[in-house]
Amino acid sequence: AAGVIQSPRHLIKEKRETATLKCYPIPRHDTVYWYQQGPGQDPQFLISFYEKMQSDKGSIPDRFSAQQFSDYHSELNMSSLELGDSALYFCASSLGGDSFYGYTFGSGTRLTVV
Amino acid sequence: GDSVTQMEGPVTLSEEAFLTINCTYTATGYPSLFWYVQYPGEGLQLLLKATKADDKGSNKGFEATYRKETTSFHLEKGSVQVSDSAVYFCALSSGGTSYGKLTFGQGTILTVHP
Repeated sequence: AAGVIQSPRHLIKEKRETATLKCYPIPRHDTVYWYQQGPGQDPQFLISFYEKMQSDKGSIPDRFSAQQFSDYHSELNMSSLELGDSALYFCASSLGGDSFYGYTFGSGTRLTVV
Repeated sequence: GDSVTQMEGPVTLSEEAFLTINCTYTATGYPSLFWYVQYPGEGLQLLLKATKADDKGSNKGFEATYRKETTSFHLEKGSVQVSDSAVYFCALSSGGTSYGKLTFGQGTILTVHP
């Protein structure tokens, strides 16, 4: 069965650079969520989109932005990267804008800022 | 706001031992409750869920019962295997304006020895 696809799997950037993470949801899923998981930490909600509109916003820095496109894939853009942005970034998708049945996570993008 | 508290870890057990990982929560309204498992280097996988009081979620020998009176959702397994070694996260979704957003506990590392 198709899963949530994230790219790239690994990314190394220098401080003050820009990074773009991509997420391709399960086919027919219309909702995408982004989470950040620091080393040894629990995942923290960043932002979500339902039908291409932002549906909720968490602890996402102003340096980050995201959008969902017409094909429902989503991109997380991160600018002026800082060492503290090094983390595992997860994308998840669901149908109908809720997590009532739990949603499906991708394998994540590991971002390392040096 | 919503919060999830898991028992302090890590937990180390011998194969075939009984497992309990405690989870308590604070939320407005009637949240849905989840357990997710994360294997090394992988994304989060939904293990089980419960959406209303007294519901019991179960999967792969793991069980958890939604206890509204004690605001708990403890994870149990009667006989663990080495392959169960992973990080386990308790999570909730409270709906409302945070529709779909998951709030995670801090995670519990489980190591099972042969």
